[in-house]
Amino acid sequence: ETGVTQTPRHLVMGMTNKKSLKCEQHLGHNAMYWYKQSAKKPLELMFVYNFKEQTENNSVPSRFSPECPNSSHLFLHLHTLQPEDSALYLCASSQDEKLFFGSGTQLSVL
Amino acid sequence: GESVGLHLPTLSVQEGDNSIINCAYSNSASDYFIWYKQESGKGPQFIIDIRSNMDKRQGQRVTVLLNKTVKHLSLQIAATQPGDSAVYFCADSYPNTGNQFYFGTGTSLTVIP
Repeated sequence: ETGVTQTPRHLVMGMTNKKSLKCEQHLGHNAMYWYKQSAKKPLELMFVYNFKEQTENNSVPSRFSPECPNSSHLFLHLHTLQPEDSALYLCASSQDEKLFFGSGTQLSVL
Repeated sequence: GESVGLHLPTLSVQEGDNSIINCAYSNSASDYFIWYKQESGKGPQFIIDIRSNMDKRQGQRVTVLLNKTVKHLSLQIAATQPGDSAVYFCADSYPNTGNQFYFGTGTSLTVIP
């Protein structure tokens, strides 16, 4: 185990649904990240939080809304997604430069 | 913008042989490089890293080589085992990007028993 836990592992949602992805890290790290992994594409950085403050929003559509209530928890709130948003969503944390990833949430938008 | 690419999307090797996975990067300011391994159903897992002031770094059965002249990075796996079957990603970062990494598309390594 990497010390980064993501739930749920799988999620199927309709385009009008609202859902949230959860990430928790047990490593005492100060930085947390959301990445999107689509088939045949490089990992895309979505959001970065350092000490609970958002330091990076990589031009992500507003239908994705992150929340970081403390340095151990990170959420990604989803609303009115599109089928092209179907992907594996990975959470990661870091203290220095190494990223520790969770197992991801496989999201399917119908 | 930054691009990081792997040379081959798939690679098959015989068990016991050595594997070499290659990666090219475009930003000459990149100063830190990481290789990740991603097994099916899991997130990427750190394998080995190297800074730009080094040419070579060795771990357990893995070696990373960095050629800054041609902006090329390689991962060598010695005595490849079935458990090495996975997708391998290279990633780089450069100063003042707030820990932002740029990932390649991945090479899928299949080890033939």
